[in-house]
Amino acid sequence: AQSVTQPDIHITVSEGASLELRCNYSYGATPYLFWYVQSPGQGLQLLLKYFSGDTLVQGIKGFEAEFKRSQSSFNLRKPSVHWSDAAEYFCAVGYILTGGGNKLTFGTGTQLKVEL
Amino acid sequence: DGGITQSPKYLFRKEGQNVTLSCEQNLNHDAMYWYRQDPGQGLRLIYYSQIVNDFQKGDIAEGYSVSREKKESFPLTVTSAQKNPTAFYLCASSISGVEQFFGPGTRLTVL
Repeated sequence: AQSVTQPDIHITVSEGASLELRCNYSYGATPYLFWYVQSPGQGLQLLLKYFSGDTLVQGIKGFEAEFKRSQSSFNLRKPSVHWSDAAEYFCAVGYILTGGGNKLTFGTGTQLKVEL
Repeated sequence: DGGITQSPKYLFRKEGQNVTLSCEQNLNHDAMYWYRQDPGQGLRLIYYSQIVNDFQKGDIAEGYSVSREKKESFPLTVTSAQKNPTAFYLCASSISGVEQFFGPGTRLTVL
């Protein structure tokens, strides 16, 4: 069974500083990997996804992530954090189901706080 | 605008009552999903449906029921058998690929 680990429950960074959120996964085949962001009391918004190809993927809001198969990691990065980036971030691994649809397994999330 | 709607945004239930959460999508997606979110536990899959009139249990289906009579709708009923129903519930949908799109959520509180 697949699993996702986000080792950092809370992270605090200063506005303008760089950010890296860690994600490690366990999955037997080539994974589909995602980062979602959630503001308080809201649904999840997709930041970026990796299906195949270039291991460095670009997303919305200036985020990027790098897939490293040897380390089973898919860390999220941003060069300069803005106060509006404060939110909870979820990493997920997924696979396609026979018959259509898919199944995602989520990590427990990392809460990002941005200090002004 | 295309998207997923969930209603109500806040829901209160007395112990022993069943309650139904609504999820509607106009994205023409075949697959729909229900997740439960608790603080510090991420999202856990309750039920999912790949096509109309068919659905499968997820990881935490006990105490919940669903129906899928229309492609656009996937209501979730939280029954009195669910021992700890207070949580944030998220509905999602997807087309043939792996990416899922999420609704805004319903917060259920048991009084």
